[in-house]
Amino acid sequence: EAAVTQSPRNKVTVTGGNVTLSCRQTNSHNYMYWYRQDTGHGLRLIHYSYGAGNLQIGDVPDGYKATRTTQEDFFLLLELASPSQTSLYFCASSPGTGGREQYFGPGTRLTVL
Amino acid sequence: LAKTTQPPSMEAYEGQEVNVSCSHTNIATSEYIYWYRQVPHQGPQFIIQGYKDYVVNEVASLFISADRKLSTLSLPWVSLRDAAVYYCIVTDRGNAGAKLTFGGGTRLTVRP
Repeated sequence: EAAVTQSPRNKVTVTGGNVTLSCRQTNSHNYMYWYRQDTGHGLRLIHYSYGAGNLQIGDVPDGYKATRTTQEDFFLLLELASPSQTSLYFCASSPGTGGREQYFGPGTRLTVL
Repeated sequence: LAKTTQPPSMEAYEGQEVNVSCSHTNIATSEYIYWYRQVPHQGPQFIIQGYKDYVVNEVASLFISADRKLSTLSLPWVSLRDAAVYYCIVTDRGNAGAKLTFGGGTRLTVRP
């Protein structure tokens, strides 16, 4: 079973705050993804990457930056957090090209006051 | 247009077999069918994937119609732990830019 961990598991910040969400996978997967999940919208892809130093834009990228520093680590950055970014964030990894099975982390719940 | 259509909810009793249907009338020849499930407070979990005919693993089985426009996920002997939202996803397996697009899914309620 693929192992994907996320930190922190819960985060509260204020509007305009700076937040970094971390994701690590230990299975040498090439692809990593950041999603957000909101009631009524399902999971929506924010950014993804197919290797260290690579970044691809997802479906809802506005207000988010991401960086893949190593094959294992993928970070999501909110530089000026807004209440609309209050959500449950999931990281995932995949061993192959974009359509193959993805393995998800436990999620980070972010609240922006 | 949504790529897949599923019933929004289903109910079953423990021990029953559950069949969750998914319509994908515009599926392309390059696309595969994936099923995930998500229990509360956890990320989605991959269940099974298929292209045509019948696929089975230790968790579930997947039947795909001959024209590939309909698939059915079958869960034998459901327990309370199978209560989750089940997502059917159609995507191009080989396309590096392909994404998983999660729709509303089917919420399965399991009663004791």
